[in-house]
Amino acid sequence: DAKTTQPPSMDCAEGRAANLPCNHSTISGNEYVYWYRQIHSQGPQYIIHGLKNNETNEMASLIITEDRKSSTLILPHATLRDTAVYYCIVRFLNNNAGNMLTFGGGTRLMVKP
Amino acid sequence: EPEVTQTPSHQVTQMGQEVILRCVPISNHLYFYWYRQILGQKVEFLVSFYNNEISEKSEIFDDQFSVERPDGSNFTLKIRSTKLEDSAMYFCASSDWRTVYNSPLHFGNGTRLTVT
Repeated sequence: DAKTTQPPSMDCAEGRAANLPCNHSTISGNEYVYWYRQIHSQGPQYIIHGLKNNETNEMASLIITEDRKSSTLILPHATLRDTAVYYCIVRFLNNNAGNMLTFGGGTRLMVKP
Repeated sequence: EPEVTQTPSHQVTQMGQEVILRCVPISNHLYFYWYRQILGQKVEFLVSFYNNEISEKSEIFDDQFSVERPDGSNFTLKIRSTKLEDSAMYFCASSDWRTVYNSPLHFGNGTRLTVT
C-alpha cells in the first residue's frame, strides 16, 4: 500500500473548520483514500473514503487533488468532541484478500474552546 | 446503527495462560479482522478472516494466535500462552463485501488485555 504523510499534530478553534492534510504521492490508480479517527483509546471510527472525486457525508468532506497525490479532510464546524487522532490511509482493493487497513501515526487534532 | 461488540472490555491474565477474546461482528458482514494497539503505539493489523479461513495475517500473528468463527455470530481470537508483551488493546472489525468491494471496516471498542 502507498504510504501517507500527515502532520503529527494540529490545533483548531471550536466552531471553526478543521482542515487535515494528507500526502500520498505514490498512490496508484486502484487505491482508495480512507479517513478514520480514534478518540482516546476507543476503536478507530470510520469517517469517509474516496477514489478521485470529492466526497461529503454527515461527518466530513474529503477533497482529493486532481493528481490524487494529496487530500484534505474537512470537519466543517469542529467541536470539542472532535478532539482525536485522525488517520489518513491508502487502501489497495481487489477481489481477493482481506484488504486490511494499515494505520500510520496520524494527526492528533486538538479542538480548543 | 449496527455496531461491532467486544467482550470483555478488560481482561487480566497471568503470563502463560490462554485467553479468548470475543467479538460479535455486524450481522450481515462477511470479512472479519483483528488488530491490536500497544499503549502509545500504532494500531497494528493481526489477521483477516473470510469464508471460514484466514485471508491475510501479519508477522505478529504467529503460532500462539488463532481465530475462529464458532457459530454464525461470534468471532474469537485465542492466545495460547500469553506473554507480557501481549498486553495491548485488541480491536475486532468487520466489513460488508456483498455490495461493492470498497466497504469500510467498522471497529469495536476493544478489549484491554493485561498480562501480569
